[in-house]
Amino acid sequence: GAVVSQHPSWVICKSGTSVKIECRSLDFQATTMFWYRQFPKQSLMLMATSNEGSKATYEQGVEKDKFLINHASLTLSTLTVTSAHPEDSSFYICSAPNPVADRKAQYFGPGTRLLVL
Amino acid sequence: AQSVSQHNHHVILSEAASLELGCNYSYGGTVNLFWYVQYPGQHLQLLLKYFSGDPLVKGIKGFEAEFIKSKFSFNLRKPSVQWSDTAEYFCAVNAGNNRKLIWGLGTSLAVNP
Repeated sequence: GAVVSQHPSWVICKSGTSVKIECRSLDFQATTMFWYRQFPKQSLMLMATSNEGSKATYEQGVEKDKFLINHASLTLSTLTVTSAHPEDSSFYICSAPNPVADRKAQYFGPGTRLLVL
Repeated sequence: AQSVSQHNHHVILSEAASLELGCNYSYGGTVNLFWYVQYPGQHLQLLLKYFSGDPLVKGIKGFEAEFIKSKFSFNLRKPSVQWSDTAEYFCAVNAGNNRKLIWGLGTSLAVNP
């Protein structure tokens, strides 16, 4: 299989605090992971590409200092939303390709719902 | 720039009706094509994919899709839908060896029992 987990599944925080979201590949190694944001009833918006051992690549318009990405190991990438504000409330999803099983398809985590009060 | 368009934003069908969801992309080179499904409250799952070979691909749960290169299309079909097919369906494309997916806006399918 190709299982991707995310933690936490949902989080509520106060405005101004930072929130860390973890994305793990459970049964494969992922040198690359992708972070998406999904608004209600809308498509996925790619935020950044997380690369193990190097800096993440951010999409245009995504603030790298606000959305800190760390890909510390071959099975873990973290997204930290710094100084969160209500407009950061969203559904954050990570994905990873499994190079052994199927290098071209991506496998998605269950998502993390963030609510900033 | 690459883009993916899904023509139907909302589709409502009765059980046993046939389904076809349109997907067109804009890119002139080699592409990999995907359909993902998101059931209510669940995460995205790969429904089917096309990399090369037979342009008619079969996926899970009775879904199939046909790649028509001349039309830049990859439409999703199912001959007889079920209530459990109610979900959001997303078409996605990546070009060649680029792993970054370009997504369509999605189609919300509601199947009435």
